[in-house]
Amino acid sequence: ETGVTQSPTHLIKTRGQQVTLRCSSQSGHNTVSWYQQALGQGPQFIFQYYREEENGRGNFPPRFSGLQFPNYSSELNVNALELDDSALYLCASTRAVAALDSYNEQFFGPGTRLTVL
Amino acid sequence: AQRVTQPEKLLSVFKGAPVELKCNYSYSGSPELFWYVQYSRQRLQLLLRHISRESIKGFTADLNKGETSFHLKKPFAQEEDSAMYYCALLSGGGADGLTFGKGTHLIIQP
Repeated sequence: ETGVTQSPTHLIKTRGQQVTLRCSSQSGHNTVSWYQQALGQGPQFIFQYYREEENGRGNFPPRFSGLQFPNYSSELNVNALELDDSALYLCASTRAVAALDSYNEQFFGPGTRLTVL
Repeated sequence: AQRVTQPEKLLSVFKGAPVELKCNYSYSGSPELFWYVQYSRQRLQLLLRHISRESIKGFTADLNKGETSFHLKKPFAQEEDSAMYYCALLSGGGADGLTFGKGTHLIIQP
């Protein structure tokens, strides 16, 4: 069974640029969540995708957007990058029976380290 | 809005000593609480959840709604317990994501 994978491992961008981060969910999982983890902080929920639709979102501005594909892999897009977007971005997948299913264990990827200069 | 507080950034104890990692939460509804752990160079992974009432790797955690706490305990620390520990809360169903505390770095000294 393949675990959650994320690409790239590291990324350096400049302020104002756009970035796309990618996540492949664990085999058999249909739900992907994205988290931002700033240095010295716990992960902060960005949004969740279930069956290709966003079905939950944290307190992040619209310039954070995402996609989920038919194979349940996902992308996180961030436009107009700001210095404070520098963080580790974590993807987590799980298998949910319904969109508002109670919690099922999330399996995390290794993360993408984004640095904005 | 929900919040999770882990008051200790760093906790250092000797091998064989008891461990208690503190976690307090604020949430108006009925929360689900979790402990996640991240060992060196490994991914974040679930350690335990309160509804399971399990003991995992010797760790237990009891939800105290009166004190809004979910402290993680182990009677005898082992060196392999050294890791980063995060307390997390789930509110309003699976679509809301987890709210994490800032984490406690546990160091077990030999």
